[in-house]
Formats: sequence, C-alpha cells, structure tokens
Amino acid sequence: GAGVSQTPSNKVTEKGKYVELRCDPISGHTALYWYRQSLGQGPEFLIYFQGTGAADDSGLPNDRFFAVRPEGSVSTLKIQRTERGDSAVYLCASSSPGQGASGELFFGEGSRLTVL
Amino acid sequence: DAKTTQPTSMDCAEGRAANLPCNHSTISGNEYVYWYRQIHSQGPQYIIHGLKNNETNEMASLIITEDRKSSTLILPHATLRDTAVYYCIVSLVETSGSRLTFGEGTQLTVNP
Repeated sequence: GAGVSQTPSNKVTEKGKYVELRCDPISGHTALYWYRQSLGQGPEFLIYFQGTGAADDSGLPNDRFFAVRPEGSVSTLKIQRTERGDSAVYLCASSSPGQGASGELFFGEGSRLTVL
Repeated sequence: DAKTTQPTSMDCAEGRAANLPCNHSTISGNEYVYWYRQIHSQGPQYIIHGLKNNETNEMASLIITEDRKSSTLILPHATLRDTAVYYCIVSLVETSGSRLTFGEGTQLTVNP
C-alpha cells in the first residue's frame, strides 16, 4: 500500500487478556518502529527493528511486551496479561535506510487499545 | 538525546505566518533538529529537519540560531488544516535508523 498500515484501528479488551497489534510498513522500508502514545502526551518509543532483528528494544516497558518481525516486513506487537495502564494508541512507523538516517519516519494512524 | 522546550500552546490567524519556537540549549554538535506535527487522531507527520543551516521546503522553513541553542519553525501562510501539535525533536543521526524522542509539543490552533 501507499502508507504504513496498522490493524486493528481499535481494540477493546479485558484486563488480563492477550493482544496482538499488526503493522504493515511501506514496501521496501527496512527500518520499523513502534511507539506508544497516551492521551495528551507525545509518542513514547518502544522498539526499533532493522530488518528482522530488534536493534533497540530499550523502550519496552516490561516483559509483557514483545514484538517480532520474522520476515523483515510486517511486524506484530504482542502484549500479554494486559493491564488498564496499557490503554493507549500504539503507533508504527517505517523508514528506508537513506530516509532513516535523515530522521524522516512515516507513521501509520495507530491502533487504539482500550483495556477495561 | 538533548531535551527540548516548547510552549504548550499557540494561536495564529488564518493566512498569517505561524512562528513556533523551540529551545534546545544542550544540543551537541552532531545532533539534528527535527520537526514533526500530529493532526488530531492521525500519526505524526515529518515536516523538516536541519543541522545548522536554515532549511526550507514546501511545508515550512526552519531557522536555527548560530549557537544552535534554539530554532523556529515557520509556517508562512497558516491554514485551518495546520491546526495540530508540533513537536521539536533533537536527535543523533544513526547510520541505519533514527530513534526520535518526542516531548509534549506545541498545540497550534489556527483561527479563521
């Protein structure tokens, strides 16, 4: 597609459940990023992939959060035993090597997660 | 990454220039200044970036002071669609990716 695609756009779940959020980056972009945005705050970095490997996962808040990118394209953010505090918009972004080095990230519209 | 300080909110009249300031007094020599904006319910959108020279593109101009401790993003003729949160970010440029640290940004409201 033309831009970064994220699914689902909205997800409502119950405390303690498992959730997967999917990101389909722009074709050919090797770098992929996950951010989390709480209401009224700026996006908070979670993890960055270069190809299939996580180059920087220092933003993942705890071991309930995990992300994969097995073929270097689509990525899935996985959240186990969800808590109410996990409620946020989860943003995905991608960049190509040249554009990544210039700081231009292309963001999707996000997946809004609500944990009841 | 160096920290940035921006006003919480600003207003601008439609058709006038919007000048958004940003302080980054602890910026280091190899850190770039980036500007992104986020329109309500959308993902952030890249606007412009620079190292020390002023930059201009079809969206905006970026003016960086000579000591690089502050910068101003200029939207020359603001429209209602420019209403958004504007983020000023200072970051090292990595060879293979860029981790951007967003603050809380400036809510710009363009009024008719």
